[in-house]
Amino acid sequence: KQEVTQIPAALSVPEGENLVLNCSFTDSAIYNLQWFRQDPGKGLTSLLLIQSSQREQTSGRLNASLDKSSGRSTLYIAASQPGDSATYLCAVIPLGGQNFVFGPGTRLSVLP
Amino acid sequence: DTAVSQTPKYLVTQMGNDKSIKCEQNLGHDTMYWYKQDSKKFLKIMFSYNNKELIINETVPNRFSPKSPDKAHLNLHINSLELGDSAVYFCASSLNPGLVPETQYFGPGTRLLVL
Repeated sequence: KQEVTQIPAALSVPEGENLVLNCSFTDSAIYNLQWFRQDPGKGLTSLLLIQSSQREQTSGRLNASLDKSSGRSTLYIAASQPGDSATYLCAVIPLGGQNFVFGPGTRLSVLP
Repeated sequence: DTAVSQTPKYLVTQMGNDKSIKCEQNLGHDTMYWYKQDSKKFLKIMFSYNNKELIINETVPNRFSPKSPDKAHLNLHINSLELGDSAVYFCASSLNPGLVPETQYFGPGTRLLVL
């Protein structure tokens, strides 16, 4: 059974820092991996989708990498801003599955 | 121009009541989902419908019954509400070529509190 974990559970950094969020999954047989952002009281916003054949995806200040064989993904945020404060969720679709399996999220606070 | 909308946004009700949550998407997607996010913030799939047909039904009590009148709507009806049903329920949709979902678009969530 696929399980997804995220470290750290919470992170607080001063504005301007570069930071890395980690995601691990137990079964490397996946279709894709996606990073989402969840703001308090709001739904989820898709940030980056990495197909199983890809190694990374970039969007603006965000870069997500995927090492499928080791069951790991990282989300790199450059030059963090207070507006980046949110919970970041990692999710995978297992091979043969049709729905996302989510991690518990990392709660990020960027202090001005 | 809301993509995925849910109503109501908040729902407070007594134990034992029956309630419904509605979801609509205007993205033309084929597949819709219901997720439950519990107090520990874990998001778990409950149901998935593709073109009005049920394709995923996780281990969910049969008090929960999804209904899809058309592919743009997926409603969730809950009978005999229990305290443990208190959670945030998210609807989502995706375009599913070959039934492998790509990016999913989420609604704002419905916060259910059972007293």
